[in-house]
Amino acid sequence: EVQLVESGGALVQPGGSLRLSCAVSGFSLSDSSMDWVRQAPGKGLEWISYISSSSGTKYYADSVKGRFTISRDNAKNALFLQMNSLRAEDTAVYYCVSDYGGIPNYYDFWGQGTLVTVSS
Amino acid sequence: DIQMTQSPSSVSASVGDRVTITCRASQDISNWLAWYQQKPGKAPKLLIYAASTLQSGVPSRFSGSGSGTDFTLTISSLQPEDFATYYCQQAYRFSLTFGGGTAVGVK
Repeated sequence: EVQLVESGGALVQPGGSLRLSCAVSGFSLSDSSMDWVRQAPGKGLEWISYISSSSGTKYYADSVKGRFTISRDNAKNALFLQMNSLRAEDTAVYYCVSDYGGIPNYYDFWGQGTLVTVSS
Repeated sequence: DIQMTQSPSSVSASVGDRVTITCRASQDISNWLAWYQQKPGKAPKLLIYAASTLQSGVPSRFSGSGSGTDFTLTISSLQPEDFATYYCQQAYRFSLTFGGGTAVGVK
C-alpha cells in the first residue's frame, strides 16, 4: 500500500525557517517524481514545487521561488521542503503528492498534510 | 502561468440531481486536465485525468469532457457522499495550476 506521511509543520515567526519531510512507503521513491501542494485555510489548492526522480529537474511556483528548496533522499525514501524567509501568506497545509504508476502530473497519491502557521 | 477558472464557485443540489461544473484554461492545454474531489479535513482525491479518463475505483456517475480550453465535470445523479469541493488542475505545463474550486452543497 502506498503511503505518504508528512511531518515538520509548526508555528513559526515571520522570517523564520522550517523543513518539512515526507516519508514514502509502498514504492521506491527513485521510481517517481514528487511534488508539494499547499492549501491555505479555507482556500484552494496551490502547486508549489516539483522534483524529478533523479533530482536533476526542479520547478517552483513564483510565490516561493528563491525562498523554498525541494530535495529528496531516494535511499531513505524521503522528500523534503526547506522553507526560508517565511511569510504570513505561507500559512497552509502542505501536502506531498505523487503520480507514481500513473501519468505524469496527475496526482493519485497524497499525504495527510502538515500544517505550517506563520505568525508572531 | 496558465490560469484555470472554474464556475460556479458553489452550487446547491439535491440527491439525484445532475450537476455540471465547468473549467476554462487561459490557453490551449489539449486534454491535460484533471478533476479532484476534496472533503473537509481530507486530502484531495483524483477523479478524472486526461480530461475524460475515470481513475480506477471512481463511480461511473462521474464523467469529464472537453479539450483545448473548455472542460466539464458532470455528476449524473448526485449521491450523499458527493457533497464536497471539486477542483480542476492543468497538467500541461509547469507551473501546474488549479482552479479555484466548486463547492457542491445541499439544497
